[in-house]
Amino acid sequence: DAGVTQSPTHLIKTRGQQVTLRCSPKSGHDTVSWYQQALGQGPQFIFQYYEEEERQRGNFPDRFSGHQFPNYSSELNVNALLLGDSALYLCASSSLDRGTEAFFGQGTRLTVV
Amino acid sequence: GNSVTQMEGPVTLSEEAFLTINCTYTATGYPSLFWYVQYPGEGLQLLLKATKADDKGSNKGFEATYRKETTSFHLEKGSVQVSDSAVYFCALSVGGSTLGRLYFGRGTQLTVWP
Repeated sequence: DAGVTQSPTHLIKTRGQQVTLRCSPKSGHDTVSWYQQALGQGPQFIFQYYEEEERQRGNFPDRFSGHQFPNYSSELNVNALLLGDSALYLCASSSLDRGTEAFFGQGTRLTVV
Repeated sequence: GNSVTQMEGPVTLSEEAFLTINCTYTATGYPSLFWYVQYPGEGLQLLLKATKADDKGSNKGFEATYRKETTSFHLEKGSVQVSDSAVYFCALSVGGSTLGRLYFGRGTQLTVWP
């Protein structure tokens, strides 16, 4: 079992650009959540996807959007990047129906310059 | 609302010392409580959890007890090792409309010297 995989590992973008991050959940998991972890801070919940729909959302602007595919993988898109979007973006997968705990990927380090 | 307050770091200990990292919480409803660990350059790994009051979670020598009366979930280890050096996050989740969402503390950096 490969666990939760995220790509790319690192990314550098220019302010104003758009970025797409990808996540493949752990086998058997159908729910994907995304978190933003700024340097020296705890992860902050962005949103959660289940059955290809955004199920709940944290306090993030509409520049942050996502998608879940039929195979349960997910993408996080951020438009009009700001310097403050520089962070580690973590994907977590789980199965809400079976009450499994969340498993995290290794994260994507996004740097906006 | 839901929030976690964690002991400020960093914490520096010598090998075999006793570790306590304090965590208190505020929650709507009856939360499940977690400790996650993050090693350098990696994602989060679940260390232990407790789902109801007075439950004790334990793993790899670490322990934490869910104390409803003090709304706390302090992490302890009797004898730390150099390999325990990492950032530790306390977190909670509640059910209902926020099922599956985790609320994290700011993290505590632990450094253990040989």
